[in-house]
Amino acid sequence: KQEVTQIPAALSVPEGENLVLNCSFTDSAIYNLQWFRQDPGKGLTSLLLIQSSQREQTSGRLNASLDKSSGRSTLYIAASQPGDSATYLCAVNYGNNRLAFGKGNQVVVIP
Amino acid sequence: KAGVTQTPRYLIKTRGQQVTLSCSPISGHRSVSWYQQTPGQGLQFLFEYFSETQRNKGNFPGRFSGRQFSNSRSEMNVSTLELGDSALYLCASSLTGDSNQPQHFGDGTRLSIL
Repeated sequence: KQEVTQIPAALSVPEGENLVLNCSFTDSAIYNLQWFRQDPGKGLTSLLLIQSSQREQTSGRLNASLDKSSGRSTLYIAASQPGDSATYLCAVNYGNNRLAFGKGNQVVVIP
Repeated sequence: KAGVTQTPRYLIKTRGQQVTLSCSPISGHRSVSWYQQTPGQGLQFLFEYFSETQRNKGNFPGRFSGRQFSNSRSEMNVSTLELGDSALYLCASSLTGDSNQPQHFGDGTRLSIL
């Protein structure tokens, strides 16, 4: 079964600290992995997409790495801000354009 | 460029009724996927349409169905609604439906069953 896990379910960090969010997946035969952000009552905003042949992607304060062999991806958010408070979701595309999601990390950045 | 648009944003129905949700993809996108999000199960794949054809289907009962029109707009229908169908229904579009393409999501339709 293709499972995606995100632990912990919730975390709080003081403003200015770096955020490290982890995603693990059981089947390494992936096409790509996408990180999303979801604000309460809203849809998903795409943050970064890493293709299976890539090791990392960067966008501003965000950096995502991918280690297929160990079934892990990590999202780093540098110098966190209160506006970074949201739920972060990891989604793995195993083909057929079908995403398998983790249950997310609910992040609170404390001013 | 407009994003993925879902209508309506909120719906309240009673058990036994049926409901139709609509999704307009990003202009030029041809693939539309539907997901159900609940607190207990998280995000689960419902189905995907490409060029008016259902290409993939998740593990949901036959009460859940959909279609896609020639302009790539998609509708999802749920018949004989149950309390457990209360959820946020999200639609995503991608350019070609190739698994290497990113998917872009709408804000969803919040369906509440009384």
